[in-house]
Amino acid sequence: ETGVTQSPTHLIKTRGQQVTLRCSSQSGHNTVSWYQQALGQGPQFIFQYYREEENGRGNFPPRFSGLQFPNYSSELNVNALELDDSALYLCASSPPTENTEAFFGQGTRLTVV
Amino acid sequence: DQQVKQNSPSLSVQEGRISILNCDYTNSMFDYFLWYKKYPAEGPTFLISISSIKDKNEDGRFTVFLNKSAKHLSLHIVPSQPGDSAVYFCAASERQGGKLIFGQGTELSVKP
Repeated sequence: ETGVTQSPTHLIKTRGQQVTLRCSSQSGHNTVSWYQQALGQGPQFIFQYYREEENGRGNFPPRFSGLQFPNYSSELNVNALELDDSALYLCASSPPTENTEAFFGQGTRLTVV
Repeated sequence: DQQVKQNSPSLSVQEGRISILNCDYTNSMFDYFLWYKKYPAEGPTFLISISSIKDKNEDGRFTVFLNKSAKHLSLHIVPSQPGDSAVYFCAASERQGGKLIFGQGTELSVKP
C-alpha cells in the first residue's frame, strides 16, 4: 500500500512553457523525493525534501525547482520546458524512521511538444 | 557515469523455474541496496532490500544476494509466476532513506 498520489497523471505542454506537478505523500511521511524516468531508463534522482527544506539534489539544472509544504505534500516546478523533459516524473515518500523504504506514486507522464 | 548497471534488458523464464536478475555497481560508498518492481502505468513497488553488512536477505519467494567484493547483487525469484512479469529495477543508496541510484531495469517475462 503506497498511499502516494500524484497529479495530474498525464500532461502535454509546449516547449518554453512552465509546468507544476503535485504529490501528496503517504500519511506520516515527512521526506519526499522526485525522480525523472525517461523512456527505457531507470528513474533519475532530481531532489529530496525533508521537513520543507531541500535535502539533496541530483544533476538537474536550476529550472527544476521544488517545494514541500507543512503537510509534507510537494510540488515539482519545471521552467522553460525542453523536448528532453518529456518523461515520467515520480514522487516517492519516506517515513521519519530510517528502517523502511521509499514508496512511489504512479507518476505523471509529461510530454513536451 | 552509470553507477548502477543492469546489463540484461530482458529475461524470459518458464513458470515454476528460477528467475535470476543481476545488478552491478561501482560506488563503494553504497551501503544499502533495493529491488523495485514496476508494472506499466504504475509507480515502482518496493520488493526487497539488503544492507551492506549482510550478504543475503530472504522474503518468501524473493532472495537478494550481495557480493561486496565483486560489487554485485542479484535477485532470485523461486518459483517464478506469470504475475511476476514486470520491469525490475535495482537501486542503491549511501544510506537508508537517502537518494536512490537506479539501474536501467530488466524486463522479466514469465511464460505459463
